[in-house]
Amino acid sequence: ETGVTQTPRHLVMGMTNKKSLKCEQHLGHNAMYWYKQSAKKPLELMFVYNFKEQTENNSVPSRFSPECPNSSHLFLHLHTLQPEDSALYLCASSQDLMESGEAFFGQGTRLTVV
Amino acid sequence: AQSVTQLDSQVPVFEEAPVELRCNYSSSVSVYLFWYVQYPNQGLQLLLKYLSGSTLVESINGFEAEFNKSQTSFHLRKPSVHISDTAEYFCAVKKGGFQKLVFGTGTRLLVSP
Repeated sequence: ETGVTQTPRHLVMGMTNKKSLKCEQHLGHNAMYWYKQSAKKPLELMFVYNFKEQTENNSVPSRFSPECPNSSHLFLHLHTLQPEDSALYLCASSQDLMESGEAFFGQGTRLTVV
Repeated sequence: AQSVTQLDSQVPVFEEAPVELRCNYSSSVSVYLFWYVQYPNQGLQLLLKYLSGSTLVESINGFEAEFNKSQTSFHLRKPSVHISDTAEYFCAVKKGGFQKLVFGTGTRLLVSP
């Protein structure tokens, strides 16, 4: 149990579908992150939220839309995805952006776009 | 910009043998260094970290890593591996302050009997 929970664990969606990934943390952290993990590539940081405010968007296509209603929850809304978007999407949290400690990761959502 | 290089994409090793997973980073300033482990179908878990002080850091399950500033390396070692150590290992670097974690491409450790 890492304290960061992601749902669903697996998701198969068509290119015209709309779906959402959910992340929840009960660690009292103020910063939350979305990462994309593709085979043979480094983890790609997608979005960063700190105290519910988006602080970073690493040139992510607009078909990915994050939402952070409070410091404990983070969503990633998906629409009109492409097959190359198939990957493991990892959510993480940390106490805040300034700290030198660790990030806590969820187990990820394995997304397959067909 | 900082980057992390893990030269070995896969390291096969027999059980009870020693192992070293290599990590080099590029940064002109002081950094914090991390090793994360990812077991199959799991998220990443912190294995150990170097922030300051002693250059040798250890994890609870027998891994250790040594920060070498002159060689900009943070190699991960274990003197005797177990089957259960089979996983993917990621090296990461973070500059102090308002900076994000930058990960390497990962090294898959395969331990066989």
